[in-house]
Amino acid sequence: QKEVEQNSGPLSVPEGAIASLNCTYSDRGSQSFFWYRQYSGKSPELIMSIYSNGDKEDGRFTAQLNKASQYVSLLIRDSQPSDSATYLCAVNPPTDSWGKLQFGAGTQVVVTP
Amino acid sequence: GAGVSQSPRYKVAKRGQDVALRCDPISGHVSLFWYQQALGQGPEFLTYFQNEAQLDKSGLPSDRFFAERPEGSVSTLKIQRTQQEDSAVYLCASSPWGYGVNTEAFFGQGTRLTVV
Repeated sequence: QKEVEQNSGPLSVPEGAIASLNCTYSDRGSQSFFWYRQYSGKSPELIMSIYSNGDKEDGRFTAQLNKASQYVSLLIRDSQPSDSATYLCAVNPPTDSWGKLQFGAGTQVVVTP
Repeated sequence: GAGVSQSPRYKVAKRGQDVALRCDPISGHVSLFWYQQALGQGPEFLTYFQNEAQLDKSGLPSDRFFAERPEGSVSTLKIQRTQQEDSAVYLCASSPWGYGVNTEAFFGQGTRLTVV
């Protein structure tokens, strides 16, 4: 079992709809959680970070963290074609003290006009 | 510089050849990470530097992989006697902080290594 699990997709979302991405992690004491967006052939780009239970909103993006259930999710509201990318969930494991990240395999999102 | 810079962007190596991949982090960033990303997968951690000290090399897949950051800025990842399974994108990331701080890493464009 991988430490960080994501549905690989592709997740097809109509333009203007909400895209919902889920991520589960195995290390219960994990501390920090990140969502990266990666366009094909490009490097990962940080779009959200969340450290405590609850919701965190930034523009059209909302990250949700539930440490008891060991999942973190990302909502993309009013999805645009430019949101078509692979979204990587990353976790800072409890055994690490300086920011090493464990990544999921990523969920591919395709926003259809 | 404005961001993390990696060179070369693309490298084709014959099996058995040695390669060196360069990372120039954001100026002043304390932490530097190397990750390996295979096609269709998320990045996998290779090694971590805090300034010039290599504090974690637990992700290096074999003793053919070696990394250094001698002056605490530019880093080089060297792969000796390359094998086909080494084909991947090698990503470098840096962050401003070091030990004990929640941190956000910024990635370079990566070097795509193809071993033929």
